[in-house]
Amino acid sequence: DAGVIQSPRHEVTEMGQEVTLRCKPISGHDYLFWYRQTMMRGLELLIYFNNNVPIDDSGMPEDRFSAKMPNASFSTLKIQPSEPRDSAVYFCASSTRQGASYEQYFGPGTRLTVT
Amino acid sequence: GESVGLHLPTLSVQEGDNSIINCAYSNSASDYFIWYKQESGKGPQFIIDIRSNMDKRQGQRVTVLLNKTVKHLSLQIAATQPGDSAVYFCAENIPPRRGGYNKLIFGAGTRLAVHP
Repeated sequence: DAGVIQSPRHEVTEMGQEVTLRCKPISGHDYLFWYRQTMMRGLELLIYFNNNVPIDDSGMPEDRFSAKMPNASFSTLKIQPSEPRDSAVYFCASSTRQGASYEQYFGPGTRLTVT
Repeated sequence: GESVGLHLPTLSVQEGDNSIINCAYSNSASDYFIWYKQESGKGPQFIIDIRSNMDKRQGQRVTVLLNKTVKHLSLQIAATQPGDSAVYFCAENIPPRRGGYNKLIFGAGTRLAVHP
């Protein structure tokens, strides 16, 4: 299995531009999570989906952030307009049923720099 | 991706020594705990987990201890190797109340530096 795939791996953009981060979860996993990691705040859960439906978006910072999961194999996290304080590493993770194990499998992350 | 940077607590050990990484969790209702390892440039990777009805679990070179009385979790790494150098995160699962979903909350992390 290829694991969780994220693209791009690095993104540099100017303030005010739209940024779209992409994620392909592990095939068969029905939960998908978006996290943000910064030095100041550590690893923060932004939103997660179950069977393509958003379940908890309480971690989304503000209306500039939106996430979609149009099908079981693809999700996007969009920031519009982007700001310098959005600079962080964004991780996507996926997991299977939340039963015996809650292990989440993380992608390699997208390092976003907003200048 | 990059691991969290400069302001993490750091544990420095000599190669071959045993390492103990500690974590205090917040919610007495948490029923499941995971330790993750994050190497530079990579996403967090599962190491070992433990349920709240256990107080100890062993894996290959790693042991997790759970003390629910003081809400404390530790990860012990035996015979630490240079490849163990990374940031280690504990995570607690908070079960839902009256329906809803589980929530995994990550700690701030500890950097382990292994010296030859």
